[in-house]
Amino acid sequence: EDQVTQSPEALRLQEGESSSLNCSYTVSGLRGLFWYRQDPGKGPEFLFTLYSAGEEKEKERLKATLTKKESFLHITAPKPEDSATYLCAVLGSSARQLTFGSGTQLTVLP
Amino acid sequence: EAQVTQNPRYLITVTGKKLTVTCSQNMNHEYMSWYRQDPGLGLRQIYYSMNVEVTDKGDVPEGYKVSRKEKRNFPLILESPSPNQTSLYFCASSLPDARLAGSGNEQFFGPGTRLTVL
Repeated sequence: EDQVTQSPEALRLQEGESSSLNCSYTVSGLRGLFWYRQDPGKGPEFLFTLYSAGEEKEKERLKATLTKKESFLHITAPKPEDSATYLCAVLGSSARQLTFGSGTQLTVLP
Repeated sequence: EAQVTQNPRYLITVTGKKLTVTCSQNMNHEYMSWYRQDPGLGLRQIYYSMNVEVTDKGDVPEGYKVSRKEKRNFPLILESPSPNQTSLYFCASSLPDARLAGSGNEQFFGPGTRLTVL
């Protein structure tokens, strides 16, 4: 059974204070690891797909990295508008559906 | 505008009263899915569909039905709702990705349907 654990559950940062969110996973044959952002009262919004260990992707202040056991979402010089819940999900070779973690709720204070 | 729409957005109903939550997408996506989101449990997939007339169970299919008669629509049916189906429901759609064995990538999510079953 695929499992995803995200840490920390909640993170408060000052504007400009860089940090990283962690997504640890166990899966039988990773096909893909996904990051989504979810604002309160809205559906998740796609950020990144990573397919294999060593892969990295960037978008504005966000950078996602992947190893064989975990993924990190690095946030550089965050702004208040980066406040949201960040969700990680995996798709294993034995499954057709995504397994999501519980998310990290990020608050960036001005 | 590319979007996934869900209706209704909010629904309060009683145990046993059949209901349908509609989902429609205008992006010509093959892959569609339904999730429920509960505090502390994250998003869990209920059903998914890789194309018209092709549906399959996700992690938590009990008590739900779906159909995919048209590419754009993927309704979720609760034949006899129970209080444990009180939740926030999301529909999503995407194009299939060969690197994901045909599963959806870059899923577009709808705005959600908050369902309360009394």
